[in-house]
Amino acid sequence: SQQGEEDPQALSIQEGENATMNCSYKTSINNLQWYRQNSGRGLVHLILIRSNEREKHSGRLRVTLDTSKKSSSLLITASRAADTASYFCATDAAGGGADGLTFGKGTHLIIQP
Amino acid sequence: AAGVIQSPRHLIKEKRETATLKCYPIPRHDTVYWYQQGPGQDPQFLISFYEKMQSDKGSIPDRFSAQQFSDYHSELNMSSLELGDSALYFCASSPGPGELFFGEGSRLTVL
Repeated sequence: SQQGEEDPQALSIQEGENATMNCSYKTSINNLQWYRQNSGRGLVHLILIRSNEREKHSGRLRVTLDTSKKSSSLLITASRAADTASYFCATDAAGGGADGLTFGKGTHLIIQP
Repeated sequence: AAGVIQSPRHLIKEKRETATLKCYPIPRHDTVYWYQQGPGQDPQFLISFYEKMQSDKGSIPDRFSAQQFSDYHSELNMSSLELGDSALYFCASSPGPGELFFGEGSRLTVL
C-alpha cells in the first residue's frame, strides 16, 4: 500500500459535528501536512506538523502526529457546510532534497446542512 | 498576494498529439513541483526543480519532459499523448522546506 493512506475514504456528517480523518504513512518523515481540495480545484495547505511535534492547532483544526505509529489525525471541530471537500495528508520524507510530497488517497468529507 | 499561475486551465488533445503546460511560481520561491492527479486519485509527484535545475523525478513517463527557465517559469511537455494522460496537472512552488503552494491546475483531456 502507498505512503500516506487515509481513512475513512468518505465521511458524511451533520453541520456542527466534529469530523476526524486519519492518515498512516510508512517512511521516516520531516513533516506531515494536510491539504484541502474542492472538486477540480487546486490543493490548499491547511497545516503542517513537524516530526518532533505531537499536536498542533489552527482555528477549528487540530492535528496530531504519532511517529511511533506512523499516523496522524485531522480533527475539524464545529463543521460547516463550506468544509465539504477532499482532505489529503502529505508526507515530506526524511532525507532532504526537493523530492516533493507524497500524498495519501484522501478523505472526501461531506457536511450535511 | 500573488499565487502560482498555471496555463492553460483546460486543454483538449487527440491521442498521439503533444501538449505543453506552463507554470509561473510565486516570486522568490526557489522550488517548483509538478503533480498529476487522475480522476478520483491522489496527486502523484512527477518532477521538481530547484533554482532552475532538475532536482528530483517521480513517476514521470519518458514521454514527458519539463524544464525551468531563467525567469523561473516552468513548462511540462507531454508527447505521444495517451488516453490515460487525461488528468489534472498541478504546479506548486515553495520558498524552502515545508508548505507547497499549488496552482489551480491544468485539466488535460485526451480524446
